[in-house]
Order: sequence, then C-alpha cells, then structure tokens
Amino acid sequence: KNQVEQSPQSLIILEGKNCTLQCNYTVSPFSNLRWYKQDTGRGPVSLTIMTFSENTKSNGRYTATLDADTKQSSLHITASQLSDSASYICVVSEGTYKYIFGTGTRLKVLA
Amino acid sequence: DAGVIQSPRHEVTEMGQEVTLRCKPISGHNSLFWYRQTMMRGLELLIYFNNNVPIDDSGMPEDRFSAKMPNASFSTLKIQPSEPRDSAVYFCASSLVEVQPQHFGDGTRLSIL
Repeated sequence: KNQVEQSPQSLIILEGKNCTLQCNYTVSPFSNLRWYKQDTGRGPVSLTIMTFSENTKSNGRYTATLDADTKQSSLHITASQLSDSASYICVVSEGTYKYIFGTGTRLKVLA
Repeated sequence: DAGVIQSPRHEVTEMGQEVTLRCKPISGHNSLFWYRQTMMRGLELLIYFNNNVPIDDSGMPEDRFSAKMPNASFSTLKIQPSEPRDSAVYFCASSLVEVQPQHFGDGTRLSIL
C-alpha cells in the first residue's frame, strides 16, 4: 500500500534554532517528492520538489534531502523564525496526477 | 498575479442541504484538483480534471458528491444531500501540467450540523 509517514507529528522549538522533519514513504512507482508549507487557515504552498536523481534542494532557509534507496526525505529549517510556524507536508508522486500526502508535522516556533 | 480563488471561505449548513463549492483556477493552468482535508486523514484527492475533462473521480466518496468544470476558468463541487461526516476543509488546486507544482486555494471550511 502506498503510504507517506511523517515524524514527528508536532514540534516546538525556540526562534533561531534549527530543526529537521522526517518523511518515509513506500510509494511505487516513484516520480518526485515535494515538501509543502501550510499556514493555519491557508492552502499548502510548495517549498521544494525533488526527482529520483536529486539528493538535495534548497529554498532559502529550507533544505530538503532525498535518499531514494532508503525511501527517506528530510526537511531542514535553519535559523527558524516565528513565521515558520506552520504544518509541513511531505507529498510523493507516483508519476502522474496521483499524489500521496503525509499527514504533516506541526511546527511551532516560540520567541 | 491572482492565485486559485475559492468561495465561500466558510460554509455552515444543516444536514440534508445542498452545498456548492466554487473554484477559479489560475489562468492558463490545464489541470485542476479537488481535495478534502481532515485531521485524521490529511489531504485526499477527490477528483482530477485535465483540460476541463474529469480524468479520475475515484476519490469521490459517494454519489452525493459531484463535480463539474464547464470551462477552463471555473469548477464546482456539489454535495447533495450533505451529512455531518462531510465536514472538512475542501481545497481546489491547479497546475500548468499535471506533474508541475500545484497551486492551492485557501480552501472552504465546511461544517454540516
């Protein structure tokens, strides 16, 4: 069964600290993996997208990594800011329009 | 550059009533998706349109749900009759082609009493 699992479910960190969110997937076939940021009351916004051959992709303070062999991805946030408080969703594509969504990690950044 | 526009943002109605959710995709995008988001199940694909044609509606829960895309700039998701278990946030998303990043609207928060 195609699944995307994220950990932790929730995380609280202090402003300025770094953090890493995890995503494990069992999706086959695999086309690409995306990370989305979803602010409360808003729709998800794409942060990064990686294909099978890409190991890392950065978007400002966000860096995503992908290990296609172990079927794991991580999203690293550097020097966190209050505005980083949101849910982060890992999404894996089978290669067509079908996307498998994780249930997300809720991040809270405290001043 | 207008994003995906959904209306209404919030809808509260009684069980048994008809509910219509609306979506205007980004101009030029030919792929449109309707999703439902709940705490328990996260985001689930309900239906996918390509060039205004429904390609996959296997995620539509049951016959009470229907979706249309009469033209490239408008889509509706209808629930009739509505039930309390339909309460969720419904998102519309569009993309230039189906494998490009999806642009989501801000959703419709639906509460069925």
